[in-house]
Amino acid sequence: DAGITQSPRHKVTETGTPVTLRCHQTENHRYMYWYRQDPGHGLRLIHYSYGVKDTDKGEVSDGYSVSRSKTEDFLLTLESATSSQTSVYFCAIKRDRLNTEAFFGQGTRLTVV
Amino acid sequence: QKEVEQDPGPLSVPEGAIVSLNCTYSNSAFQYFMWYRQYSRKGPELLMYTYSSGNKEDGRFTAQVDKSSKYISLFIRDSQPSDSATYLCAMSAGGGNKLTFGTGTQLKVEL
Repeated sequence: DAGITQSPRHKVTETGTPVTLRCHQTENHRYMYWYRQDPGHGLRLIHYSYGVKDTDKGEVSDGYSVSRSKTEDFLLTLESATSSQTSVYFCAIKRDRLNTEAFFGQGTRLTVV
Repeated sequence: QKEVEQDPGPLSVPEGAIVSLNCTYSNSAFQYFMWYRQYSRKGPELLMYTYSSGNKEDGRFTAQVDKSSKYISLFIRDSQPSDSATYLCAMSAGGGNKLTFGTGTQLKVEL
């Protein structure tokens, strides 16, 4: 894997609790992304970052927030987890805007009960 | 209607077969077309990338784009059991951030 570590890899949490997922990269890539993957929907973009403290929303951003205080770390927070946020979450990185290859992490399997 | 449609399969073929995987799309602004391979419980990895129309070959893999029909294909020759995975097509309108993915086709190559 291209120097991307997601943590935790698995998590079970209760409805209404806050949850933070971490993506750490060692590639010094500028762009970082959070996707969720669900059966029948494929990969959908939640939020992305184009630099430290620079973030923007994707197509399914409701209920999620992100932060990027360092180049290497991109955090995804579920403020109050709901069962609809049960999913597999993938972090991806890309060197620059025009570069096409996005490298994905191993994923975090989140279950909200 | 989804912007990108992909048959979820599963598709089961014997070893050595030629596999054809396809996606259709509705957004005529898409210019960049990618195929990702995803093994079970792993992250997607980029297999092929094509800009605009045409063909691209890399070993046993060939990617084709027909923008007039809004149709892309991935061909796998001499398929191997190690090719068993889910194949995702992805597209973007520019070289920028938003990749739109298909739902993926699950492929199983049997001995």
